Amino acid sequence: AQTVTQSQPEMSVQEAETVTLSCTYDTSESDYYLFWYKQPPSRQMILVIRQEAYKQQNATENRFSVNFQKAAKSFSLKISDSQLGDAAMYFCAMNSGGSNYKLTFGKGTLLTVNP
Amino acid sequence: EPEVTQTPSHQVTQMGQEVILRCVPISNHLYFYWYRQILGQKVEFLVSFYNNEISEKSEIFDDQFSVERPDGSNFTLKIRSTKLEDSAMYFCASKGQRETQYFGPGTRLLVL
Repeated sequence: AQTVTQSQPEMSVQEAETVTLSCTYDTSESDYYLFWYKQPPSRQMILVIRQEAYKQQNATENRFSVNFQKAAKSFSLKISDSQLGDAAMYFCAMNSGGSNYKLTFGKGTLLTVNP
Repeated sequence: EPEVTQTPSHQVTQMGQEVILRCVPISNHLYFYWYRQILGQKVEFLVSFYNNEISEKSEIFDDQFSVERPDGSNFTLKIRSTKLEDSAMYFCASKGQRETQYFGPGTRLLVL
């Protein structure tokens, strides 16, 4: 079974500053995929960034980047130059072929961006 | 850019009634999923669907639930005899390249 743990229920950051959201996971699979999804108040699930476990290079998408530490089973999200629109719930998730690629989610981190 | 769509956006029903939630996945995707999110909780997997059959279901997905792909484009979730605890946001997703799932906007179901 796969598990995803987000240990920070809430985080806050000043506009234009950088914030890091933590995520750890556990799986017996060797080939898996990791994701961060953003859920604004509208409750839509929006893909932020993905990382293939077989890739050593950390994924980046504009102001969003990850720090993927495979041995430690850690997958943190860094948001640079935070904007008011980044305020949302952020979910870490993973899937693998051994589980029909179903997503297992963490409990989420609520990010507040202060002006 | 193609997207997953869901209807209705909101559904209010009486306990014991049947509801059907509809989804149109992205057209060239082959794997489809339903998830639910009870308010304030994490997103939970319900069922996955591939090649016109259920590939996996969670313990939540009991005989009260069923899914089908009636016409090659729609993907539906039926909940028979709804209970108060079925009140949640229900998300449909389809899987594309690089094993990435794209979510629809969700259906908010309220059971009274």
